Amino acid sequence: GAVVSQHPSRVICKSGTSVKIECRSLDFQATTMFWYRQFPKQSLMLMATSNEGSKATYEQGVEKDKFLINHASLTLSTLTVTSAHPEDSSFYICSARDPAGTVGGYTFGSGTRLTVV
Amino acid sequence: KQEVTQIPAALSVPEGENLVLNCSFTDSAIYNLQWFRQDPGKGLTSLLLIQSSQREQTSGRLNASLDKSSGRSTLYIAASQPGDSATYLCAPNAGNMLTFGGGTRLMVKP
Repeated sequence: GAVVSQHPSRVICKSGTSVKIECRSLDFQATTMFWYRQFPKQSLMLMATSNEGSKATYEQGVEKDKFLINHASLTLSTLTVTSAHPEDSSFYICSARDPAGTVGGYTFGSGTRLTVV
Repeated sequence: KQEVTQIPAALSVPEGENLVLNCSFTDSAIYNLQWFRQDPGKGLTSLLLIQSSQREQTSGRLNASLDKSSGRSTLYIAASQPGDSATYLCAPNAGNMLTFGGGTRLMVKP
């Protein structure tokens, strides 16, 4: 089945630095990927939709200059948290849909736990 | 805007019980609905996908039903096991976008 690989699984960074998270579709091409954020004991909130070869679409309230998304190829999307602050500490998860797979089904990465100190 | 509600928010049962997890959504114009499992600190694992034209899907001890017109879906877990302990999320798909409910945190005690 479709596999989405997310890296790193866990990262600790200092306040003010930037962190990059990678999301790869391993066995399929994904023109669209999705980035979610999840706070403890809460559900997933969509942050942005990543479109290959074009600008990402951000949800209301998500700062596009802070959460930079790049989707330069059909198998890789990256999320960069710029000038990270403690309030950015969260669990970030990406997902994609394999057009050739289970019709309409989405596959998720394993998530990245970001801690800003 | 799609809103998804899952009831109950948490559930603790002894091993062997049959369980029903409920999901309701406000916008019935969906393409499909997916049920996921999330273990603590982990990503999401897809359990079942129901197309809007289907009434139910089964996989092993899991059965999911969909009543699109009334905006409801149910996940039935038969003969629960401690390994079923996790958070279960439902996510209707409308327009190439998933909206998640708050989840049901399930604990199955040996």
